[in-house]
Amino acid sequence: AQSVAQPEDQVNVAEGNPLTVKCTYSVSGNPYLFWYVQYPNRGLQFLLKYITGDNLVKGSYGFEAEFNKSQTSFHLKKPSALVSDSALYFCAVRGTLFSGGYNKLIFGAGTRLAVHP
Amino acid sequence: EAQVTQNPRYLITVTGKKLTVTCSQNMNHEYMSWYRQDPGLGLRQIYYSMNVEVTDKGDVPEGYKVSRKEKRNFPLILESPSPNQTSLYFCASSLDLHEQYFGPGTRLTVT
Repeated sequence: AQSVAQPEDQVNVAEGNPLTVKCTYSVSGNPYLFWYVQYPNRGLQFLLKYITGDNLVKGSYGFEAEFNKSQTSFHLKKPSALVSDSALYFCAVRGTLFSGGYNKLIFGAGTRLAVHP
Repeated sequence: EAQVTQNPRYLITVTGKKLTVTCSQNMNHEYMSWYRQDPGLGLRQIYYSMNVEVTDKGDVPEGYKVSRKEKRNFPLILESPSPNQTSLYFCASSLDLHEQYFGPGTRLTVT
């Protein structure tokens, strides 16, 4: 069965510094991977996805993520954090036909990012 | 404006009183899904629908029902709510499951 782990409940970073939010996954076959962001009292918003191709994918608001197949990771990154980036971030994986979860998204528990001025 | 709407946004009810949370999307998406969000557990899928009259269980379907009679609507039904169904619920729609559009959420409290 597929699963997603976000090992950090919270990440704290100073404004202007680079940020990384970690995600590891477990799925049979080639994964489809996603990052979503949730601002306070809002629904989730799509940030970026990895389906195939270049391991570094770029998304909204200056975020990017690096797919690493050998480490089964898909870490979210941004070169220079903004206070407005403070939110809850979710990593998600779509199952493959092989794993039987092709029509489902499995979300991690979420990581709260706090960017301090 | 492309959007997913949910109603009500907030609901307090008592154990056993049937309720329905509505979800509607205006993007002609085939795929729709319901999730519940609980602290420390992230989002867990309750049910999903690949198209009209096609629904399937997610990871936590117990105590919930859904129907998909029209493409734009995907209501979530709690026939006999219990306190363990107190949660924040999100509806989402997608063209191809690669980018889901989420509604604003429904905060449900069952006493």
